[in-house]
Amino acid sequence: EAGVVQSPRYKIIEKKQPVAFWCNPISGHNTLYWYLQNLGQGPELLIRYENEEAVDDSQLPKDRFSAERLKGVDSTLKIQPAELGDSAVYLCASSLGLSGEASDTQYFGPGTRLTVL
Amino acid sequence: AQSVSQHNHHVILSEAASLELGCNYSYGGTVNLFWYVQYPGQHLQLLLKYFSGDPLVKGIKGFEAEFIKSKFSFNLRKPSVQWSDTAEYFCAVHLDRGSTLGRLYFGRGTQLTVWP
Repeated sequence: EAGVVQSPRYKIIEKKQPVAFWCNPISGHNTLYWYLQNLGQGPELLIRYENEEAVDDSQLPKDRFSAERLKGVDSTLKIQPAELGDSAVYLCASSLGLSGEASDTQYFGPGTRLTVL
Repeated sequence: AQSVSQHNHHVILSEAASLELGCNYSYGGTVNLFWYVQYPGQHLQLLLKYFSGDPLVKGIKGFEAEFIKSKFSFNLRKPSVQWSDTAEYFCAVHLDRGSTLGRLYFGRGTQLTVWP
């Protein structure tokens, strides 16, 4: 069974440019997560979707970040415009259930490493 | 704010040495606890988890962790490490209620290097 797929794996852009990341969760997984991982830190949740509904987006900087999961399957995370401080790894994860329970194991993708020059 | 502390940022051991990685959290309610591992060039993988019951939980590859509620700790242990255990280890906490349901809070990670 394929795991969580993310693309691109690496992205280098100049500041003020837009950038988008794509995630395809494990087939059948209803919940999708986007995490931000800064260098030397653990992942921090940006947004959580249950199907196509964003149920936890309180940590998403909405002035420049946006996300969508239109058909409740794959998802796109966008930054516009990018700033130097956005350089980080963006991780996508998925889980089977819809309840947010801890027993619903989160499976992570390989991440997209963004460098903003 | 909830926080998860991993006190050791980088641990270097020789093969066959014993390992203990510390993890403390700052929430006083019901928690669920996890250790994730990230091998070089690979994605984060679940190593073990604690929900309730026996506070000593066993995971994959000979790892175990003990939940000590009074100390707000969930330390990871392995009696004898191998070179293949070289990886970054993340402790994570899930709070069992409220608006943050479903959110994992991660520590900053501990890089373990095992010399053959």
